[in-house]
Amino acid sequence: AQKITQTQPGMFVQEKEAVTLDCTYDTSDPSYGLFWYKQPSSGEMIFLIYQGSYDQQNATEGRYSLNFQKARKSANLVISASQLGDSAMYFCAMRESGTSGTYKYIFGTGTRLKVLA
Amino acid sequence: DVKVTQSSRYLVKRTGEKVFLECVQDMDHENMFWYRQDPGLGLRLIYFSYDVKMKEKGDIPEGYSVSREKKERFSLILESASTNQTSMYLCASSFSFGQAGGIAKNIQYFGAGTRLSVL
Repeated sequence: AQKITQTQPGMFVQEKEAVTLDCTYDTSDPSYGLFWYKQPSSGEMIFLIYQGSYDQQNATEGRYSLNFQKARKSANLVISASQLGDSAMYFCAMRESGTSGTYKYIFGTGTRLKVLA
Repeated sequence: DVKVTQSSRYLVKRTGEKVFLECVQDMDHENMFWYRQDPGLGLRLIYFSYDVKMKEKGDIPEGYSVSREKKERFSLILESASTNQTSMYLCASSFSFGQAGGIAKNIQYFGAGTRLSVL
């Protein structure tokens, strides 16, 4: 079973509008973290935002916010006021406990966002 | 700023060649990772290392090996490259649990990736 599910392979948004990228997760670990990364065409993965499982408030970083609904196991990324430079692949990821006291990171399949002028 | 450097952006190799992909980080991270990225499959973990000379298999270790002789360097080795290993390879590093506090302890930092073509 998929542990991280991104159901939108591709999305379009008009410049200056807000867009929501969906992510659902599955874990039995009570302590976990959720991430969003941006991958432009250059290939580098850029960290955007992090939400811990015990965090009471939704994380925000500038134009990025994470809509964390723990009971529904969803962690959607909201980008406000989209810019042309936001066109990229976006990955949702989860950190859960692994073996040997390490962390294990699991990635979704990604959503390709295209911002239209 | 954290810097994770992968030695090559693009590589073209022939079937059967031994291929080395190198990754260096400058943040004293204990954890290092190798992923491959294929369209529609996201990132899949090949190997990771949580200390010098320590390694653990990820989800798709077959056909790969790794080496970590120094804390800052993690190498991925394709012993005999095959065409199905044509892919984008991403290296990442992170602090280990207890090595840092706050959000920083959780984040993986990535290199720019190596696009490998095996002909």
